[in-house]
Amino acid sequence: EAGVAQSPRYKIIEKRQSVAFWCNPISGHATLYWYQQILGQGPKLLIQFQNNGVVDDSQLPKDRFSAERLKGVDSTLKIQPAKLEDSAVYLCASSLDGGRRTEAFFGQGTRLTVV
Amino acid sequence: DAKTTQPPSMDCAEGRAANLPCNHSTISGNEYVYWYRQIHSQGPQYIIHGLKNNETNEMASLIITEDRKSSTLILPHATLRDTAVYYCIVRVSSARQLTFGSGTQLTVLP
Repeated sequence: EAGVAQSPRYKIIEKRQSVAFWCNPISGHATLYWYQQILGQGPKLLIQFQNNGVVDDSQLPKDRFSAERLKGVDSTLKIQPAKLEDSAVYLCASSLDGGRRTEAFFGQGTRLTVV
Repeated sequence: DAKTTQPPSMDCAEGRAANLPCNHSTISGNEYVYWYRQIHSQGPQYIIHGLKNNETNEMASLIITEDRKSSTLILPHATLRDTAVYYCIVRVSSARQLTFGSGTQLTVLP
């Protein structure tokens, strides 16, 4: 079974620039998550989709972050404009239905450095 | 979700059992205990979860105390590849996301 695919693996941008990350979840997984992981901390949920609808985006900084999941499959996360504090690993995860019994599978993440 | 408390770091000798504790004293009756681990430069990986009873799979065993206020993840024969940050997560039945704390850095020593 193919895992969660993310690209790019690494990205370096200057502050105030824009950046986009792409995620392809495991086939058939209805739930997709984007997490932000700052160095030395555990992952923090940014947004959760169920199919192509948003379930939870309460911790997404909506003034600069946006995410979409077209057709309930792939997803993109965008930052515009980036700040230094956005330097982190951005993790995408998916699960069958997001219920308490199902595990989440994570991609390897995109490491963003804002300089 | 109930908060969890884990030691920040632990060491374990290769081939020995690694016992990782987690306190979740405010856990409620419908909350499950999940364990994930994160090896350096990788995304978190599911290990095991349970509600009341002890659970075992090919990776680990999960022991939950009778009052459910704490649990222990057991890696029966730790290898160097088990060096990772281990996260204990308590998840309400109606919530869908995983809320990660700081976890325990387990270092398996040769």
